[in-house]
Amino acid sequence: AQSVTQPDIHITVSEGASLELRCNYSYGATPYLFWYVQSPGQGLQLLLKYFSGDTLVQGIKGFEAEFKRSQSSFNLRKPSVHWSDAAEYFCAVSVRGNAGNNRKLIWGLGTSLAVNP
Amino acid sequence: DAGVTQSPTHLIKTRGQQVTLRCSPKSGHDTVSWYQQALGQGPQFIFQYYEEEERQRGNFPDRFSGHQFPNYSSELNVNALLLGDSALYLCASSFGLDSYNAGELFFGEGSRLTVL
Repeated sequence: AQSVTQPDIHITVSEGASLELRCNYSYGATPYLFWYVQSPGQGLQLLLKYFSGDTLVQGIKGFEAEFKRSQSSFNLRKPSVHWSDAAEYFCAVSVRGNAGNNRKLIWGLGTSLAVNP
Repeated sequence: DAGVTQSPTHLIKTRGQQVTLRCSPKSGHDTVSWYQQALGQGPQFIFQYYEEEERQRGNFPDRFSGHQFPNYSSELNVNALLLGDSALYLCASSFGLDSYNAGELFFGEGSRLTVL
């Protein structure tokens, strides 16, 4: 079955520290992978995406993620966290739907990031 | 360039009532998807509309229905509301179906529904 697992429900880091949020997926075909961020009271914003090619992808706000096929992982990283990065982070995999060529996103449950000053 | 807009932002209903939520996609987008996000959970896919037709659907009962208009805007209707329908309802737009961009979504800020 297709699924996305984010093992860490909640993470707290100090401002300026490095960050890694974990994501593991289960999907038989080549995955299209995404990280989204949801700030309090706001909708989801795409941080970065992986479709093919270079396994290290760069996103907005200084984030990057590395696709590791052997580990079925797509972990999100940032070298130095800012207080404004406190938010909910969701990993998602795009899979083909039940009919025709449709696609849909399968989401993880999210990781809540808190940043200490 | 307007992004995805949703209305209303907040609403309160009682059990058994019906609700309609509205969404205008990002300019240039023709596909609209709806998601339900319960508190502390990830988004759950409800359904997707393209060319005014429901193209695929998640595991939601028939009480959840929708519509897409010629201008690509969309409505989500929920009948016979239950307490468990309380959630943030997110609309997302994208361009095309069988394009990798179909997985790259632009989200609205959501409509927060509370059912009492």
